[in-house]
Amino acid sequence: SQTIHQWPATLVQPVGSPLSLECTVEGTSNPNLYWYRQAAGRGLQLLFYSVGIGQISSEVPQNLSASRPQDRQFILSSKKLLLSDSGFYLCAWSQGIQLPEAFFGQGTRLTVV
Amino acid sequence: AQTVTQSQPEMSVQEAETVTLSCTYDTSESNYYLFWYKQPPSRQMILVIRQEAYKQQNATENRFSVNFQKAAKSFSLKISDSQLGDTAMYFCAFLSDNAGNMLTFGGGTRLMVKP
Repeated sequence: SQTIHQWPATLVQPVGSPLSLECTVEGTSNPNLYWYRQAAGRGLQLLFYSVGIGQISSEVPQNLSASRPQDRQFILSSKKLLLSDSGFYLCAWSQGIQLPEAFFGQGTRLTVV
Repeated sequence: AQTVTQSQPEMSVQEAETVTLSCTYDTSESNYYLFWYKQPPSRQMILVIRQEAYKQQNATENRFSVNFQKAAKSFSLKISDSQLGDTAMYFCAFLSDNAGNMLTFGGGTRLMVKP
C-alpha cells in the first residue's frame, strides 16, 4: 500500500533563516506531488505541483521554491524565511487520472518568529 | 483557470440531523473529478467522497452523498444522521487532467455538529 511521509511535524524558525521541508511517498511510482499552505482556519493554497522528476510548476510567486530530486521525493525550501511564511504546510500525492484522489501527509506547522 | 467556491464559511447541525454543504466550480473542461475532503481538528486531510464528471449517478459513501449538477457546475455534499465526529472543516476540490493535474480546493466550510 502507498504511504506518504512528511517531516518535521512542527518547526519554529527565526526570520531570515532557511527552510527545508521534505515529503516522500512509498508504494507507487511517478506520482503527482503537491505542496499546499493553509493559513489558520482557511483554505488550501496550492504552492507547487510536480508531474515528474525535475518538473515543477509554481502557482504563487513568493520566496519559496520546490524541488523533486527523486521520483518520490518532494522538497519545499526557502533561503530566507519571512514572518508571512508561517502556516500549515501539506504535502500530497495522486496518480493523476489513473487514481485521481489526493492523499495527504500529516502536515508541518511552521512558525516564523 | 479552474475555481472552486464554497459559499458557506460556517454551518452547524444537530446530532442525527441532515446537513448539506454547497460547492460550485467554474471550468471549461468536460472531463474532470470532484472531491469532498474532511479536515478534523487533527488537521489530517481525509477523502470523504469522489465523483467522476462523466457519471450521471451521484456518488454515495455510507452517510455521505453528493448532488452533482454538471450543467449548473454544482457539487453539494449531504451528511445524513450527523455525528459528533463529523465536526470538521470540509473542502470541495476539483481535478482535471487537462489542467496539468492541478488539484484546486475551495475555501472550506467549518461544520459544527451539536449534541
